[in-house]
Amino acid sequence: EAQVTQNPRYLITVTGKKLTVTCSQNMNHEYMSWYRQDPGLGLRQIYYSMNVEVTDKGDVPEGYKVSRKEKRNFPLILESPSPNQTSLYFCASSPQGAHTIYFGEGSWLTVV
Amino acid sequence: QQPVQSPQAVILREGEDAVINCSSSKALYSVHWYRQKHGEAPVFLMILLKGGEQKGHEKISASFNEKKQQSSLYLTASQLSYSGTYFCGTNSGGSNYKLTFGKGTLLTVNP
Repeated sequence: EAQVTQNPRYLITVTGKKLTVTCSQNMNHEYMSWYRQDPGLGLRQIYYSMNVEVTDKGDVPEGYKVSRKEKRNFPLILESPSPNQTSLYFCASSPQGAHTIYFGEGSWLTVV
Repeated sequence: QQPVQSPQAVILREGEDAVINCSSSKALYSVHWYRQKHGEAPVFLMILLKGGEQKGHEKISASFNEKKQQSSLYLTASQLSYSGTYFCGTNSGGSNYKLTFGKGTLLTVNP
């Protein structure tokens, strides 16, 4: 089944404790991206990647890092999480040249 | 800068029509429309490209006015399944993959 898989789906962590949210897609898509969704703010793009080793900042990259060492994986790294990074995070992918974006199921992250 | 969606919320009875607008302060290359049901991931509805218009989903269509930097989503003869939050995502050129989403329009369809 074609899908975008995120892990963990739910996480409560403490301020300053490094964490990684993994994202994997099995559709051989070139493009991958991370979004965060907050009440009243909609979806905001954090980082995106157009292919392996090619990444760029979205609208809200502060406090996040990404890497794209393999085509299928695009992990989101929070080096020192803070409470304002409490949010619902979505990973997404899309094939090159196409416009449909496929979203993962989301990861609920709470930083206390 | 996020595109502005209007209205923020709308309540319909089944069978009624609705229009959701998306307006940007930047020149647009494309506009995407997504629907998200509560607790689920957004689902692609359609994309409108500069110089064209594309109808993509059920009884839902959209228009794209490049000069006004606006797009509108039209939902006709609404069904209960249309309920959810609708987001527009805009691309202003550069990378095709850099999308900026509006804050969403909550659509509720009642029997």
